[in-house]
Amino acid sequence: NAGVTQTPKFQVLKTGQSMTLQCAQDMNHNSMYWYRQDPGMGLRLIYYSASEGTTDKGEVPNGYNVSRLNKREFSLRLESAAPSQTSVYFCASRGQIKSNQPQHFGDGTRLSIL
Amino acid sequence: SQQGEEDPQALSIQEGENATMNCSYKTSINNLQWYRQNSGRGLVHLILIRSNEREKHSGRLRVTLDTSKKSSSLLITASRAADTASYFCATGGGSNYKLTFGKGTLLTVNP
Repeated sequence: NAGVTQTPKFQVLKTGQSMTLQCAQDMNHNSMYWYRQDPGMGLRLIYYSASEGTTDKGEVPNGYNVSRLNKREFSLRLESAAPSQTSVYFCASRGQIKSNQPQHFGDGTRLSIL
Repeated sequence: SQQGEEDPQALSIQEGENATMNCSYKTSINNLQWYRQNSGRGLVHLILIRSNEREKHSGRLRVTLDTSKKSSSLLITASRAADTASYFCATGGGSNYKLTFGKGTLLTVNP
């Protein structure tokens, strides 16, 4: 029962480098999400994909791009990393669209940008 | 901006005591959910309450919702050291597939 798997778990980048965070779910969920969690800020939504083939901006999309590769996978890309993007990134997925179902979270990617 | 705001920000109690956390929100909702996050881990869903419900129970958890006051509370009865975690409320609105999370309450249960 893997659920939501995120890779890598830890990463250190230099300013200006690019990186793709990977997320895969094995629950046949329709919706997938990327959040960032900063101390004292809770979780903030970066991008989401309500269903395969669609992506939409969340609360803090600047500096990020996403790809819904297929129903299982949803990646987050930082094209030119900045120190302000140092954070813990969480991927989540959810079952049916427009129903009261919870989100299921991965264990996060801890990203430091120097 | 955050929709939900938890109160208190931090709570420290002794094992066996009850823990109460509150959440306030600003706009109309379809449902409100509570999640737990252990240190270094992802969030785990605890309980969901719909906007037309006033109270819900799950094991040692009791959640109330007052839509007139735009507030919810999470009660954990007979707390255990293993309940030590951060607790977040999250609200689901009109689109129904996005959640907005609060900043969380850090609960410490001392043995």
